[in-house]
Amino acid sequence: DGGITQSPKYLFRKEGQNVTLSCEQNLNHDAMYWYRQDPGQGLRLIYYSQIVNDFQKGDIAEGYSVSREKKESFPLTVTSAQKNPTAFYLCASSAVAGNQNTEAFFGQGTRLTVV
Amino acid sequence: LAKTTQPISMDSYEGQEVNITCSHNNIATNDYITWYQQFPSQGPRFIIQGYKTKVTNEVASLFIPADRKSSTLSLPRVSLSDTAVYYCLVYPSSNTGKLIFGQGTTLQVKP
Repeated sequence: DGGITQSPKYLFRKEGQNVTLSCEQNLNHDAMYWYRQDPGQGLRLIYYSQIVNDFQKGDIAEGYSVSREKKESFPLTVTSAQKNPTAFYLCASSAVAGNQNTEAFFGQGTRLTVV
Repeated sequence: LAKTTQPISMDSYEGQEVNITCSHNNIATNDYITWYQQFPSQGPRFIIQGYKTKVTNEVASLFIPADRKSSTLSLPRVSLSDTAVYYCLVYPSSNTGKLIFGQGTTLQVKP
């Protein structure tokens, strides 16, 4: 089945550690996105990528890093510089087709907790 | 980028029709309007998309007036399982790549 997969579902991190969240899609989509969601809040864009080997900062990129070495993969690293990383992280992908609007598909999310 | 404004929360009862309105005053000519639904601890999922007038699918209807400065998501005869957060998005026709979700509208359906 085609889709987008995030792993792990739950992740615990000690303060001062870097952790990497995985996001893989087999939809052949060009665009991929990472969002952060805090309790009772909407989604905030961390990073996005429109094409392999290229990515852009979103609204809250500080303390995070990404790579896009393969079309199907867009891992997110939460670094020790992120002061309050406990949150629900969502990855999404969408096809890019000029001026046409396209549907975004989301993974099931990773819940990160700092202990 | 077109900014969207929608109510923070709404309450309804089972069996009622629910209308959620989204304002997008600076929508561009080629922008589409898309609505997503999110259940707790899940990623959002696409509900409906439109450009003008009315669009209907098996889940909802989307009404867009001629000036396109607002849109209304209509959910017919809601049930408890429709309790969720609903997001209105206006996708930039310039295709900058940014996909921005606002606060969304939390719909609580009561028995």
